[in-house]
Amino acid sequence: DAGVTQSPTHLIKTRGQHVTLRCSPISGHKSVSWYQQVLGQGPQFIFQYYEKEERGRGNFPDRFSARQFPNYSSELNVNALLLGDSALYLCASSLPGTSGGVSTDTQYFGPGTRLTVL
Amino acid sequence: GQQLNQSPQSMFIQEGEDVSMNCTSSSIFNTWLWYKQDPGEGPVLLIALYKAGELTSNGRLTAQFGITRKDSFLNISASIPSDVGIYFCAGRLTNFGNEKLTFGTGTRLTIIP
Repeated sequence: DAGVTQSPTHLIKTRGQHVTLRCSPISGHKSVSWYQQVLGQGPQFIFQYYEKEERGRGNFPDRFSARQFPNYSSELNVNALLLGDSALYLCASSLPGTSGGVSTDTQYFGPGTRLTVL
Repeated sequence: GQQLNQSPQSMFIQEGEDVSMNCTSSSIFNTWLWYKQDPGEGPVLLIALYKAGELTSNGRLTAQFGITRKDSFLNISASIPSDVGIYFCAGRLTNFGNEKLTFGTGTRLTIIP
């Protein structure tokens, strides 16, 4: 089975432009999460979507938006790009579940999209 | 954004040595996870811990969920070259279906020939 796929692999944009990143989850997974990973740091949570609805939003400005489609794939959009938006954008898919009242949601990450803003 | 405190920041060891790293938080989590990330790739899940005090092994890896729910550690025994990479801890506190992961700052493991 294919893992999480993301496109494009690399992207170069200039300040002020907008960008759309795409993610296809593992077959059967209904939840997609987006993370931003700046060089030298751990990933930071941006959004989670489950069954096309937003389940969570991290501390990111309104320039960041996302959506999930009926086939569970997802897009992350970033408007009015800033130099500080340069990062690796990771998508993770999961199949939420519980065991004994504890969430067993396991997030599997894609290879990421490397965005460079000049 | 919040990042968990992970130590050490980097480690330089010889092949065959054991490795220990830990992660601390100012807030509690109900799940702790350990991931490994290689250059140009996304994080890969190594171990998941779901219960305070739990000790779980996966081959040469052993991890524990701290009893206070604010910390976790990862041990790697008899390190081999493919263990090189960056290790991240991540905590999760599920809230109304929000499965947000909060990651640590990472521990970079290097094996000296």
